[in-house]
Amino acid sequence: EVQLVQSGAEVKKPGESLKISCKGSGYSFTSYWIGWVRQMPGKRLEWMGIIYPGDSDTRYSPSFQGQVTISADKSISTAYLQWSSLKASDTAMYYCARGQPDVFDFWGQGTLVTVSS
Amino acid sequence: DIQMTQSPSSLSASVGDRVTITCRASQGIGSWLAWYQQKPGKAPKSLIYVASSLQSGVPSRFRGSGSGTDFTLTISSLQPEDFATYYCQQYNSYPITFGQGTRLEIK
Repeated sequence: EVQLVQSGAEVKKPGESLKISCKGSGYSFTSYWIGWVRQMPGKRLEWMGIIYPGDSDTRYSPSFQGQVTISADKSISTAYLQWSSLKASDTAMYYCARGQPDVFDFWGQGTLVTVSS
Repeated sequence: DIQMTQSPSSLSASVGDRVTITCRASQGIGSWLAWYQQKPGKAPKSLIYVASSLQSGVPSRFRGSGSGTDFTLTISSLQPEDFATYYCQQYNSYPITFGQGTRLEIK
């Protein structure tokens, strides 16, 4: 069974750093892309970027380029999304999803990130 | 960026109804369109890809059609579990973009 399990909810202060994770199982992790999608409260889905864990090829949305870093550790079948300096506007639900490469067939359960002073 | 616009933004219907949701792209995207269903507090679920192909396990009452700039998602006979928000997504070019969503509510 294909599963993507994301790390738990986070509460952070503005300016802090954060790295959330997405662990894949039940399939060949290095053979599919992993995408990250943001959903702010009550808003539409926003594509942030994707990574191919097989060779770490990464693409970013211009809206998120420079704001976040997407990475993967294929040895533990885990993808990451990280921020070096969070802002209040980063408060959102973040989903990882398996991409083929750009249609997301399996999704993680989501990680809620709250940034508040 | 390619803009995706769905209509209507919300829709009330009854169990057994046939409903159609429209998605329009700001420029031609061929058939590179997907549809997702999202229930409150849950992750999206993939329904359709390349405009009309059903993902494995998706009931046949869901049908996608269209190409170029205009696409539709039709649910032939609404079931209680179909009340959710539906999103279209283009993947013709980066950045991938989603529609604003159509909320399907029980009448």
